[in-house]
Amino acid sequence: SQQGEEDPQALSIQEGENATMNCSYKTSINNLQWYRQNSGRGLVHLILIRSNEREKHSGRLRVTLDTSKKSSSLLITASRAADTASYFCATPPTGGFKTIFGAGTRLFVKA
Amino acid sequence: SAVISQKPSRDICQRGTSLTIQCQVDSQVTMMFWYRQQPGQSLTLIATANQGSEATYESGFVIDKFPISRPNLTFSTLTVSNMSPEDSSIYLCSVLRGVQETQYFGPGTRLLVL
Repeated sequence: SQQGEEDPQALSIQEGENATMNCSYKTSINNLQWYRQNSGRGLVHLILIRSNEREKHSGRLRVTLDTSKKSSSLLITASRAADTASYFCATPPTGGFKTIFGAGTRLFVKA
Repeated sequence: SAVISQKPSRDICQRGTSLTIQCQVDSQVTMMFWYRQQPGQSLTLIATANQGSEATYESGFVIDKFPISRPNLTFSTLTVSNMSPEDSSIYLCSVLRGVQETQYFGPGTRLLVL
């Protein structure tokens, strides 16, 4: 079954605004990872949050994880036009290596 | 992090032909993964490749269509056989690295089948 369902599917904001993307998953996990994909390119690993962590920061990125709700959020603060990309969450299930990706959120940041 | 390269970066192929995609990693890894990303879609795992054993294919993917080689711990190939336009996708290889098993991806191979 599908893990990592993101919402919204698409998000359009002005440069300087914050962007929040959400991800839900279905089974227990060891960690959850967020990726960025610029159009037609490979995936860039942004951040990994472990199942025993609730919040993690990396530069302008803030990720939260709520294992009781099986959900995570990615916040990009002070967005830039260069942040325009698709963002995916990914969850390798506990005890397995089959990472499942959600459908992704397409973020468009207008200059 | 992991440095992963893929060849070719893109190709345009005729239906009925085959294309082999190469994936090279900068250091030894136990498991390598091949994903497909159809236009506008998310990633779908094709198979997991371990060195010295047959690849493990996911539901909907078969070895005859997507044969995989894994001759050593830093290299793998994926062949897309007897291609049809429905095979037009980005194909990505991936590895796990580090204690936390962060997953890293190659730059992808963009395939267009006419």
